[in-house]
Amino acid sequence: DVQLLESGGGLVQPGGSLRLSCTASGFTFSTYSMAWVRQAPGKGLEWVSAIGPGGVDTYYVDSVKGRFTISRDNSKSTVYLQLDSLRAEDTAVYYCAKEYGAHPNNWLDTWGQGILVTVSS
Amino acid sequence: DVQMTQSPSTLSASVGDRVTITCRASQSISSWLAWYQQKPGKPPKVLIYKASSLESGVSSRFSGSGFGTEFTLTISSLQPDDFATYYCQHHNGDNAFGGGTKVEIK
Repeated sequence: DVQLLESGGGLVQPGGSLRLSCTASGFTFSTYSMAWVRQAPGKGLEWVSAIGPGGVDTYYVDSVKGRFTISRDNSKSTVYLQLDSLRAEDTAVYYCAKEYGAHPNNWLDTWGQGILVTVSS
Repeated sequence: DVQMTQSPSTLSASVGDRVTITCRASQSISSWLAWYQQKPGKPPKVLIYKASSLESGVSSRFSGSGFGTEFTLTISSLQPDDFATYYCQHHNGDNAFGGGTKVEIK
């Protein structure tokens, strides 16, 4: 079975940092693009970032550019999202998702269960 | 940036009803549209991709149509398991999601 397991969430103060991890299993990780999507409490989905199979091509929503960094380690089947300069409005459940195919910005065919990030003093 | 607008935001329906949800793009996105279903406390699940292609394992009572700027998701006969929130997404571009449509029991 294809599975994605997120970790690294928690409570952080405004201006602080967190690193989210997503470990994949059940598919050839190095041949697929991966993405992060978030959902603020009681709100809709917001696409955050994506990364190509080789880790070179990266994409971000405007609201996180310069603050969040996506990366991956194909030897560990893991994708990361480094969250810096966090703001209250970054509070959300963060989902890791597998893209369909190698090209980033495809539909998301597998999702993790999500991890909560709370930014509060 | 492409903006995705869904309507209605809430829909009340009964089991057996035919349900249609609309998603409009602020500019043409060809057929680059996906539909997802999300239940409370769970991650989304893809139903439709490329506007009208049914994801493997998804019930055939779900169908998608549209091209350019206007798209629809239709549930042919609403079942108890279908009460959920539905999102459209422009894939292969901005990746923006629509605001969601909550399908409630009437």
